Amino acid sequence: AQTVTQSQPEMSVQEAETVTLSCTYDTSESDYYLFWYKQPPSRQMILVIRQEAYKQQNATENRFSVNFQKAAKSFSLKISDSQLGDAAMYFCAYTGEKSGGGADGLTFGKGTHLIIQP
Amino acid sequence: DTGVSQDPRHKITKRGQNVTFRCDPISEHNRLYWYRQTLGQGPEFLTYFQNEAQLEKSRLLSDRFSAERPKGSFSTLEIQRTEQGDSAMYLCASSLRGLAGTQYFGPGTRLLVL
Repeated sequence: AQTVTQSQPEMSVQEAETVTLSCTYDTSESDYYLFWYKQPPSRQMILVIRQEAYKQQNATENRFSVNFQKAAKSFSLKISDSQLGDAAMYFCAYTGEKSGGGADGLTFGKGTHLIIQP
Repeated sequence: DTGVSQDPRHKITKRGQNVTFRCDPISEHNRLYWYRQTLGQGPEFLTYFQNEAQLEKSRLLSDRFSAERPKGSFSTLEIQRTEQGDSAMYLCASSLRGLAGTQYFGPGTRLLVL
């Protein structure tokens, strides 16, 4: 079974600084996708960024970028120029594509609570 | 463009009662997922539909839980004989196969079983 581990229950960063959230995963599949989702307090889960395992290039979305190390099974999220609106729970998630066209549900880590200090 | 919607947003019930939740996915999405999220945890996968077919169920989905997606549009999740341990946020997500796994989530239904 696939597992996703987020070892930082909470991180704090000063506004405008850069912060990196860690995620490791375990899988025996060769074709899979990794995601970071953001869940603000009492609000719904929002997709931040996605990475296809077959792509060597790290995904980037504006201030958000990932460091994908496939051999090490590591998938960290870097947030540059942190803003107050970035405060939220951040979840790392994994899904594989089963043979035969089926699909897995997402496997989530336990999350990292990101605090932005003004 | 309307996102994924869920109804109700909050539900309080007494132990032993039945509850039903509804999810309306993004209109062109053919895949629909249900998750459960307890406090301080990440969401846990419950079940998945492709169109109207329920293709996968988690071990978490006990016999008291049933999900349907008639006509491949909206979905319902029913919990029979609720227990206090069923208290959680129930999340629905939808996706399009071509987006290779990217799921878009609704706001969730928060269930409290007294």
